[in-house]
Amino acid sequence: GDSVTQMEGPVTLSEEACLTINCTYTATGYPSLFWYVQYPGEGLQLLLKATKADDKGSNKGFEATYRKETTSFHLEKGSVQVSDSAVYFCALMDSSYKLIFGSGTRLLVRP
Amino acid sequence: DTGVSQNPRHKITKRGQNVTFRCDPISEHNRLYWYRQTLGQGPEFLTYFQNEAQLEKSRLLSDRFSAERPKGSFSTLEIQRTEQGDSAMYLCASRLDGTGELFFGEGSRLTVL
Repeated sequence: GDSVTQMEGPVTLSEEACLTINCTYTATGYPSLFWYVQYPGEGLQLLLKATKADDKGSNKGFEATYRKETTSFHLEKGSVQVSDSAVYFCALMDSSYKLIFGSGTRLLVRP
Repeated sequence: DTGVSQNPRHKITKRGQNVTFRCDPISEHNRLYWYRQTLGQGPEFLTYFQNEAQLEKSRLLSDRFSAERPKGSFSTLEIQRTEQGDSAMYLCASRLDGTGELFFGEGSRLTVL
């Protein structure tokens, strides 16, 4: 079945450092891909999405590009802030329109 | 607030008791999903509805779990004879057909003693 694999955390960075969180997927066809974020004590929020190959999703300085050749959707940000500390989930939407999530990557940004 | 609403936010119960969670989706959304999330893991799909029809159930949804969406609006998730392994955050999400985004509620945390 469809699945998502993302790098294990925690990822600890200093403020203004560059961030990459790796995400790869296995699916039949070409699913839509998503990054969701969960801030402490809050619900899951959509961060960005891409619906087809080579699409780039972006929001709040975060970017991810849908790479069909490598079945990847890595999350990147050029300069992280303390307020970016959260758990990040990569997900795909399967053929029956439900989301399949990765296990999450915790990001901790130190001042 | 027009987001997805879940109640109760936290439920503590003793093993063997029944519990019920309620989800009120965004009003025009016809698809409603239930997920379970345990500590350090991503959300795992349990079941989903299109309007009042339950279209898919995960193997994770044992016979002790039942979900309903009687009028295609709110939904309930009941767990009978709770076990300690049922302790988790139960998430509800909704979506409008033709759009890609699922909107999640803040979840209902279940603790089984």
